[in-house]
Amino acid sequence: GAGVSQSPSNKVTEKGKDVELRCDPISGHTALYWYRQSLGQGLEFLIYFQGNSAPDKSGLPSDRFSAERTGGSVSTLTIQRTQQEDSAVYLCASSPFHKITGELFFGEGSRLTVL
Amino acid sequence: GQSLEQPSEVTAVEGAIVQINCTYQTSGFYGLSWYQQHDGGAPTFLSYNALDGLEETGRFSSFLSRSDSYGYLLLQELQMKDSASYFCAAPRGGYNKLIFGAGTRLAVHP
Repeated sequence: GAGVSQSPSNKVTEKGKDVELRCDPISGHTALYWYRQSLGQGLEFLIYFQGNSAPDKSGLPSDRFSAERTGGSVSTLTIQRTQQEDSAVYLCASSPFHKITGELFFGEGSRLTVL
Repeated sequence: GQSLEQPSEVTAVEGAIVQINCTYQTSGFYGLSWYQQHDGGAPTFLSYNALDGLEETGRFSSFLSRSDSYGYLLLQELQMKDSASYFCAAPRGGYNKLIFGAGTRLAVHP
């Protein structure tokens, strides 16, 4: 497809388990972002990748959260030892340019529920 | 730091005009974006104002006043399908790292 693809769309896990969320950005987009959205809330920035530069990890809430981007394309967000407060929709976005345009292209998100 | 403030809810009727305000406090301000998000859907880009003034795109317009640290989204000829959440956002750090407001939920009634 032409848009940002995320999987799984829904994930239910037990507290303490690890989860991996995948994002496939739009082909050719060099910038990739992860955001978290709790129910009825705004989008919380987590991490940003741009080309081969070191990622901006300033939004990761704890060391249980990590992300990688392989080959400048697909990204995986990993949450270790999940907690109930991690329950949210995790949104991935990409953009084609490094310069500021204010426009990101979002995927449909992965809804994570931690029991 | 950076924060964006917007009303939590707005209600309007079909055919009316509604304005959603956004005030911001930020250092190194680059511009203001607006996004629409329907329930269960992905945020979609509506507009970006880098300079002061009004930008018009069909029924939607966006305004920015950098001196007042203020912007708004104007929706005209409201339709039921406009019922959604609207977020203002601003880039931080010299690139498209967007910081979002908490969102304004717009309910359009017949």
